Amino acid sequence: DTEVTQTPKHLVMGMTNKKSLKCEQHMGHRAMYWYKQKAKKPPELMFVYSYEKLSINESVPSRFSPECPNSSLLNLHLHALQPEDSALYLCASSPRLAQTGELFFGEGSRLTVL
Amino acid sequence: AQSVTQLDSQVPVFEEAPVELRCNYSSSVSVYLFWYVQYPNQGLQLLLKYLSGSTLVKGINGFEAEFNKSQTSFHLRKPSVHISDTAEYFCAVSKPQGGSYIPTFGRGTSLIVHP
Repeated sequence: DTEVTQTPKHLVMGMTNKKSLKCEQHMGHRAMYWYKQKAKKPPELMFVYSYEKLSINESVPSRFSPECPNSSLLNLHLHALQPEDSALYLCASSPRLAQTGELFFGEGSRLTVL
Repeated sequence: AQSVTQLDSQVPVFEEAPVELRCNYSSSVSVYLFWYVQYPNQGLQLLLKYLSGSTLVKGINGFEAEFNKSQTSFHLRKPSVHISDTAEYFCAVSKPQGGSYIPTFGRGTSLIVHP
């Protein structure tokens, strides 16, 4: 059982919709990550939060907007997405950013943009 | 710059046969090494990790890997695979970058176990 919970598991949205992906962990981790994964490809880093502050933004388009309301929650707000944004979105956490890089992943949210 | 190379995109094998999935990395500094497994429509799960100490590390589900510093390799092995081992396997490497450790993932190896 994963200790990183992502909702929803599946999301279908149109290009004009606004939706959000949510991620929650209760392991006391202070670093949280969003990854995008296309089929048969490795995860691509999007954003990293450390102690609720945005630490890394891998030049992600502004139609993706991350938010970290507290140390346990991480959101990804979606607006005006394109069909090529369809992918599996993975949330991960780690105890600290300045540690080994071992990540704890959620099961992902499968996004389809029509 | 660091990079991770998984030489095989796909490895077919028969059930109960041994398997080795290869991973090589390039880095001028010491690194931490990981293998993750991803079953269909799921997230990534840590199989094993090398942080320091013994170069032979054992993980879950009967997998093990050996860190070879001179060959900059971290190959994953299992002596006898099951159908349930069919999945995507990712090697990952992390090193300190400005005080942070962000892993770099290899492209993945699809292990296909045939009955």
